[in-house]
Amino acid sequence: AQSVTQLDSHVSVSEGTPVLLRCNYSSSYSPSLFWYVQHPNKGLQLLLKYTSAATLVKGINGFEAEFKKSETSFHLTKPSAHMSDAAEYFCVVRGNYGQNFVFGPGTRLSVLP
Amino acid sequence: NAGVMQNPRHLVRRRGQEARLRCSPMKGHSHVYWYRQLPEEGLKFMVYLQKENIIDESGMPKERFSAEFPKEGPSILRIQQVVRGDSAAYFCASSLGQSNQPQHFGDGTRLSIL
Repeated sequence: AQSVTQLDSHVSVSEGTPVLLRCNYSSSYSPSLFWYVQHPNKGLQLLLKYTSAATLVKGINGFEAEFKKSETSFHLTKPSAHMSDAAEYFCVVRGNYGQNFVFGPGTRLSVLP
Repeated sequence: NAGVMQNPRHLVRRRGQEARLRCSPMKGHSHVYWYRQLPEEGLKFMVYLQKENIIDESGMPKERFSAEFPKEGPSILRIQQVVRGDSAAYFCASSLGQSNQPQHFGDGTRLSIL
């Protein structure tokens, strides 16, 4: 069975400073991992995905994530936050046998001017 | 627009009425997922369907809720005899069958119960 933990329900950073959103997963098999962003009153947009290729994955809007199997982590980072990054972020895991997608509870990112 | 299309975007119903929410997946996608999101909360999985089959309905309430994804046409989430607690945003996502392929989401249907 798969599960996802997002350690912080809310993260607040100043504009121009780095962003770190943490995600830990549990999976019986080699998983696929995804990060999504949701802006208010919008659907979820795919930021990036890890599917057993390079462990450092680059996504849209300057975000990237590193898959660390030894730590069962897939933390999302961005070197410099922008006001438009303020949103809800979801980490998602899926096993490699067509299992359902499992969502983390989400982390709300606030960006202060 | 080749994305996931949900309609209507907003739906208002009175208590006891039926609500039908539609989702057209991305072209070529045969897997559809429905989620519910309450204000200030995360996504709650409801049901996962493949064409004409329900794969996982572990998140569906036992009564009043049903979903289908027919061979032709959109997926439908149906809520009978709606109650105030059904007010939420309902999101649909679709994907290809392979496990390394992501979901793509629609913009949701916001259901309000008067």
